[in-house]
Amino acid sequence: DTGVSQDPRHKITKRGQNVTFRCDPISEHNRLYWYRQTLGQGPEFLTYFQNEAQLEKSRLLSDRFSAERPKGSFSTLEIQRTEQGDSAMYLCASSPRPTAPSTDTQYFGPGTRLTVL
Amino acid sequence: AQSVSQHNHHVILSEAASLELGCNYSYGGTVNLFWYVQYPGQHLQLLLKYFSGDPLVKGIKGFEAEFIKSKFSFNLRKPSVQWSDTAEYFCAVNPNSGYSTLTFGKGTMLLVSP
Repeated sequence: DTGVSQDPRHKITKRGQNVTFRCDPISEHNRLYWYRQTLGQGPEFLTYFQNEAQLEKSRLLSDRFSAERPKGSFSTLEIQRTEQGDSAMYLCASSPRPTAPSTDTQYFGPGTRLTVL
Repeated sequence: AQSVSQHNHHVILSEAASLELGCNYSYGGTVNLFWYVQYPGQHLQLLLKYFSGDPLVKGIKGFEAEFIKSKFSFNLRKPSVQWSDTAEYFCAVNPNSGYSTLTFGKGTMLLVSP
């Protein structure tokens, strides 16, 4: 399977702990996105990378959230000092360089389900 | 800020019934429009997309959607649903310029009874 992969698929942690999630995009996709999805809601955009550059991070939920994509391939999303309200599904998506302006199509991974106790 | 509204949170249909799921968005400029589907236990998959051109777009598995610019709508349709169409359906929009971030609706859970 050459789709977007995410690791781990499930994470249970205690309040106050730090967690890190990994996303591997589809090969040669230069754009990578992180979203959060809570119960009964659609995915909510968090941040996005084009190659290794983080082009939008103002929608990260707080300064406890950070993301990196150091070599323009895989990405990590870290949440420090987790809170119970951080419990959610964290989704990663990637997209190829568009063939025409403004025709970006995102492909999603299976997500990491975080439970904060 | 743009927003997406999906009118029905839950829809229950019998097999062979026709389906129409509503989606309206609020954004003043040109947009790209998408429908994603999430089957039970699976990840989000692209069903169809609209960038420009013919406002009636066809997707996978017999789905289609019509973009009506004057109504800011992008409704999803299928003439005859199957049990295997049971899933959650999400409408999403991004501006046709600038960042490629998607704004999603809350989703519609479709249950098709055999």
